[in-house]
Amino acid sequence: QLQLQESGPGLVKPSETLSLTCTVSVGSISSTNYNWGWIRQPPGKGLEWIGSIYYSGSTNYNPSLKRRVTISVDTSKNQFSLNLRSVTAADTAVYYCASEAIVAATFFDYWGQGTLVTVSS
Amino acid sequence: SYELTQSLSVSVALGQTARITCGGNNIGSKNVHWYQQRPGQAPVLVIHRDTNRPSGIPERFSGSNSGNTATLTISRAQAGDEADYYCQVWDSSSAVVFGGGTKLTVL
Repeated sequence: QLQLQESGPGLVKPSETLSLTCTVSVGSISSTNYNWGWIRQPPGKGLEWIGSIYYSGSTNYNPSLKRRVTISVDTSKNQFSLNLRSVTAADTAVYYCASEAIVAATFFDYWGQGTLVTVSS
Repeated sequence: SYELTQSLSVSVALGQTARITCGGNNIGSKNVHWYQQRPGQAPVLVIHRDTNRPSGIPERFSGSNSGNTATLTISRAQAGDEADYYCQVWDSSSAVVFGGGTKLTVL
């Protein structure tokens, strides 16, 4: 059973870059059965997929966020990371990392506990 | 871009059957997945590929998908089933898409 844990600052200033890391503590990030994804949830709202990465570095992003997002992977540390540039208050959300099963279909079978990131000066 | 439509809320009496729907254009041709999110917790996968339950998910949870509607059915509803439920698909134009979520209340 995979285990994932998000880490990073809980407060980011407007116009700056939000940076989070997800550590896969049980299981290998180099698995061919998975992408590794970021999903966010603004307070009181629904889930929004941000993007995903394969261990090789191949990425896929939500078109609405694509111009501001970069997701990267470090297989030596079993980690993947999210950078979201030029943030505003609208980017305030709980950010989840998750394993994205890609065999036969694409769904998120294991999730981190989530981390709240607030954008405020 | 592909869109999924869910009712904002569904209510069910304790012990009865709840049905939560997810609408989308020809959604029956796609794999639909369902997540349960209790307050303050991360989402949990309860159904994948329309009808499949991950290990540890009670048999009371089932899914179906046909035409323009996918349905999550919760039989013998319990107080612990109160949560938000989200459907999700993968679409070639939008990649990962989530529905807006349905709040299930058990009366």
